[in-house]
Amino acid sequence: NAGVTQTPKFQVLKTGQSMTLQCAQDMNHNSMYWYRQDPGMGLRLIYYSASEGTTDKGEVPNGYNVSRLNKREFSLRLESAAPSQTSVYFCASRYETSGRSSYEQYFGPGTRLTVT
Amino acid sequence: GENVEQHPSTLSVQEGDSAVIKCTYSDSASNYFPWYKQELGKRPQLIIDIRSNVGEKKDQRIAVTLNKTAKHFSLHITETQPEDSAVYFCAASPRNSGNTPLVFGKGTRLSVIA
Repeated sequence: NAGVTQTPKFQVLKTGQSMTLQCAQDMNHNSMYWYRQDPGMGLRLIYYSASEGTTDKGEVPNGYNVSRLNKREFSLRLESAAPSQTSVYFCASRYETSGRSSYEQYFGPGTRLTVT
Repeated sequence: GENVEQHPSTLSVQEGDSAVIKCTYSDSASNYFPWYKQELGKRPQLIIDIRSNVGEKKDQRIAVTLNKTAKHFSLHITETQPEDSAVYFCAASPRNSGNTPLVFGKGTRLSVIA
């Protein structure tokens, strides 16, 4: 049971390049999330997916796209990277149901992205 | 929507002293309140959580209290040790008709001075 995994761990991009961050979970969770964390800052939600086939914008979605490929995988794409997107990106997953108490949210190890 | 405020943003304590971090939330329907610890360069990890039908929960040196009337909850760490130094995040889970993400506070950087 690997939990939440992310690839790559580190990435350096030039301005204007594109890339996809991969995330997978093996806990049969229905909800998955992408956050960014800037130095000394909190967690800001980029996009989330409450179930396979659905995605919703979070607090800071501009410049990003996501795909919920199946129940296990949720990818984040930067189409044209900008220096402002330099950050640490965390994927997370959780089992939750409508109208009931929520359950523990697990985070992946993070991807450290630098855009020059 | 839900809004979570966390205080203080930084906290320094002497080893062995207690540390208290407080959070307030705005949505009275929120029903789940986790606390996460993030060590330098690592991922956030759950350390304790509390549900709205409980007023207090303890796990060894850490405890969380919840006051639903005042809409605030607190993390208490007793007998602090250097390894407690980290950033701590509180969160609240809004309850509505659909699945909604956790709303996080902005974090508290705790430094335990040996």
